[in-house]
Amino acid sequence: AQTVTQSQPEMSVQEAETVTLSCTYDTSENNYYLFWYKQPPSRQMILVIRQEAYKQQNATENRFSVNFQKAAKSFSLKISDSQLGDTAMYFCAFILSGTYKYIFGTGTRLKVLA
Amino acid sequence: DSGVTQTPKHLITATGQRVTLRCSPRSGDLSVYWYQQSLDQGLQFLIQYYNGEERAKGNILERFSAQQFPDLHSELNLSSLELGDSALYFCASSVAGAPYNEQFFGPGTRLTVL
Repeated sequence: AQTVTQSQPEMSVQEAETVTLSCTYDTSENNYYLFWYKQPPSRQMILVIRQEAYKQQNATENRFSVNFQKAAKSFSLKISDSQLGDTAMYFCAFILSGTYKYIFGTGTRLKVLA
Repeated sequence: DSGVTQTPKHLITATGQRVTLRCSPRSGDLSVYWYQQSLDQGLQFLIQYYNGEERAKGNILERFSAQQFPDLHSELNLSSLELGDSALYFCASSVAGAPYNEQFFGPGTRLTVL
């Protein structure tokens, strides 16, 4: 069975600094997708970034980028130039290609400090 | 605002009761997903529908059922409610049913079972 682990329950970062959230997953399959979702205090879940496992190039969306290490089964999220609006719960998610069962990690609560 | 609506926002009920949660997907989205977010178990995928047909099942209890109607709105029915069913229930939608499609989440329904 696939699992997703986020080992950092809480993190904090100073505004304008860079922070990295870790995520590891376990699967014996080769084709899958990985996602980072953000849940701010409003509770609305928002997609931050996604990565196809077959792509070697790390995904980037503005200040958000990932470090995808397929062999190590690691999918960390880097937030550059942190802003107060980045304060949220961040969930890493995994789904096998050809299936529709999403598996989420337990989340990392990130607080950006002024 | 993701374009996904969920009603009601809050629901308080007693053990043993039955409730129905409603979700309207974004205009044009054919796929609807249901998730349960509880404090101790994080975000759990319950079930997915695509254009009226059930496509995938996750950790959905037998006491729970869902359906997607011809107008594409969806309802999640929870019966014989237990204290442990207290959680935030999210609906999400995507334009198609493929795993890599971005999901747009609704604001959630907070269910409290007393």
